[in-house]
Amino acid sequence: NAGVTQTPKFRILKIGQSMTLQCTQDMNHNYMYWYRQDPGMGLKLIYYSVGAGITDKGEVPNGYNVSRSTTEDFPLRLELAAPSQTSVYFCASSYSLYDYSEAFFGQGTRLTVV
Amino acid sequence: TQLLEQSPQFLSIQEGENLTVYCNSSSVFSSLQWYRQEPGEGPVLLVTVVTGGEVKKLKRLTFQFGDARKDSSLHITAAQPGDTGLYLCAGKNGGATNKLIFGTGTLLAVQP
Repeated sequence: NAGVTQTPKFRILKIGQSMTLQCTQDMNHNYMYWYRQDPGMGLKLIYYSVGAGITDKGEVPNGYNVSRSTTEDFPLRLELAAPSQTSVYFCASSYSLYDYSEAFFGQGTRLTVV
Repeated sequence: TQLLEQSPQFLSIQEGENLTVYCNSSSVFSSLQWYRQEPGEGPVLLVTVVTGGEVKKLKRLTFQFGDARKDSSLHITAAQPGDTGLYLCAGKNGGATNKLIFGTGTLLAVQP
């Protein structure tokens, strides 16, 4: 009954370092998303994927990259970390694109860039 | 770029009071969802509204989708401390990808 699992839960990066945020789901969902959330604010879409091998940019893709080699996994890569990337990152998945389809979220990764 | 503005941004009320949260946009959405998020957790879906003018009730929470499908509201009756959290509206933009675009959020604190 895992749902969407994100690792790590917390990370501190130095400016210029890189890292990969991991996301895996066990619900066999085709659609997966990465969002970032700044304190007390809504979520902004970074990248999304409609299936293995297919990804596209969201609202705020600059400084990030993604890949989707399997249905289960959707890692988010940060290259050359900057203080502006300090945020909480959420991965989500959904069964379909239909209006009633629910997005299921992981618990988030809290990233601080210093 | 489709934007969803929520108001108010912050709300602190006493237990038993009523409140309304608004979610507004200049764009039309094919549907709108409301999520609730607790500290340290991801958002969890409360409701989906699809039809213009639609009203849905979930116990003490009443959700309405505007006639033109550009706005929505969430009304809570007799708020309780357990209602405390971040409330997020999210619209689906239709089309081939029907992406979920989130609003700016309303942080609600209900004091006992």
